[in-house]
Amino acid sequence: GAGVSQSPRYKVAKRGQDVALRCDPISGHVSLFWYQQALGQGPEFLTYFQNEAQLDKSGLPSDRFFAERPEGSVSTLKIQRTQQEDSAVYLCASSPGTTYNSPLHFGNGTRLTVT
Amino acid sequence: DQQVKQNSPSLSVQEGRISILNCDYTNSMFDYFLWYKKYPAEGPTFLISISSIKDKNEDGRFTVFLNKSAKHLSLHIVPSQPGDSAVYFCAARGSSGGYQKVTFGTGTKLQVIP
Repeated sequence: GAGVSQSPRYKVAKRGQDVALRCDPISGHVSLFWYQQALGQGPEFLTYFQNEAQLDKSGLPSDRFFAERPEGSVSTLKIQRTQQEDSAVYLCASSPGTTYNSPLHFGNGTRLTVT
Repeated sequence: DQQVKQNSPSLSVQEGRISILNCDYTNSMFDYFLWYKKYPAEGPTFLISISSIKDKNEDGRFTVFLNKSAKHLSLHIVPSQPGDSAVYFCAARGSSGGYQKVTFGTGTKLQVIP
């Protein structure tokens, strides 16, 4: 069955480059989350979309980070002028509903390495 | 400020024995708790959850216990199997007021030895 798909799986960027990470959620899922997971740490919340509306961007670490979901389906996380501290796995999760007990389904992540 | 804490980074257990993974939280607004399992190079997958109105929830070999007064929960796996070897994340969220983000702990790496 189709799960959450993220691309690319791996991305190497030189410091200062811009990157775009894509998430294809499960079809029909209303909620979409982005998380950042640094090595040896748990996933850290970045941002949340309900359909096309970005309801929470409190976790975005700086104004270099920008996320969008213009048609309420595919989402893109963009990082401008990448820094070494941006190196991490970026996880996307989607959920069919908006209630607290609506389960999150994660993709396999994009591993970003900034050199 | 780590609101969900997993103080044991790793745990080794013999196959067939019980695995107990612990988790503490500090935010009293959290009232819904989840455990996720993660294999290398894959995303976390949902394992089991518990609402604060319960103190125990069971699903096959997996049982989660919640002690609200101590702000502590634990995941028991009985019997442990080699395929259970993975990183386990404890997570928490509130249940009221609409959308609530999920906050994760730092994970415990479980190794089940055949």
